Amino acid sequence: DAKTTQPNSMESNEEEPVHLPCNHSTISGTDYIHWYRQLPSQGPEYVIHGLTSNVNNRMASLAIAEDRKSSTLILHRATLRDAAVYYCILRPWGNEKLTFGTGTRLTIIP
Amino acid sequence: NAGVTQTPKFRVLKTGQSMTLLCAQDMNHEYMYWYRQDPGMGLRLIHYSVGEGTTAKGEVPDGYNVSRLKKQNFLLGLESAAPSQTSVYFCASSYHAPGQVRTGELFFGEGSRLTVL
Repeated sequence: DAKTTQPNSMESNEEEPVHLPCNHSTISGTDYIHWYRQLPSQGPEYVIHGLTSNVNNRMASLAIAEDRKSSTLILHRATLRDAAVYYCILRPWGNEKLTFGTGTRLTIIP
Repeated sequence: NAGVTQTPKFRVLKTGQSMTLLCAQDMNHEYMYWYRQDPGMGLRLIHYSVGEGTTAKGEVPDGYNVSRLKKQNFLLGLESAAPSQTSVYFCASSYHAPGQVRTGELFFGEGSRLTVL
């Protein structure tokens, strides 16, 4: 399975945009890019996913590079409640399994 | 709706004891999963099920057994607990096969913290 690389940690100021990078240079054409986040002492929650085009939802935006070798999760206006570990995951089409890495721990500074 | 419910939330076992973790979902999802998470690490898949009566191994299945007798329930069993199984266990479910365009998103429970002494 293709792997992802994320920074171990990032900090951002409250009420500012946050850009969380993910590198996936060995991505294949059928791999979807999924993002989940895990708030302290909770189970992970789905954030967003995409294949080739940029995606937006109520939580975040996903910007996918044209060659698909990297992507960026964008939180438009960070709040303290966005402090969490963010996981970037590649998921082949039709694959039942979701394989988590260690993610990026995002700290929001008031 | 309750979503995904795990019981118990906390449990302490002695080495060699057995126990069962119960996961229940009320979303009529076909797919269910058991993960474990050790401190400072991501989640690792133990077993999963793509439908009632079916189960499959994940990354770290040794020492665990599972059953999916009813669509809404997925049980994780430890027959002879070991200290290495001290972890937080998460159950998840999803409606579509992951990777499908529609969503395939997983819904997770709040976790069950297991300590084996």
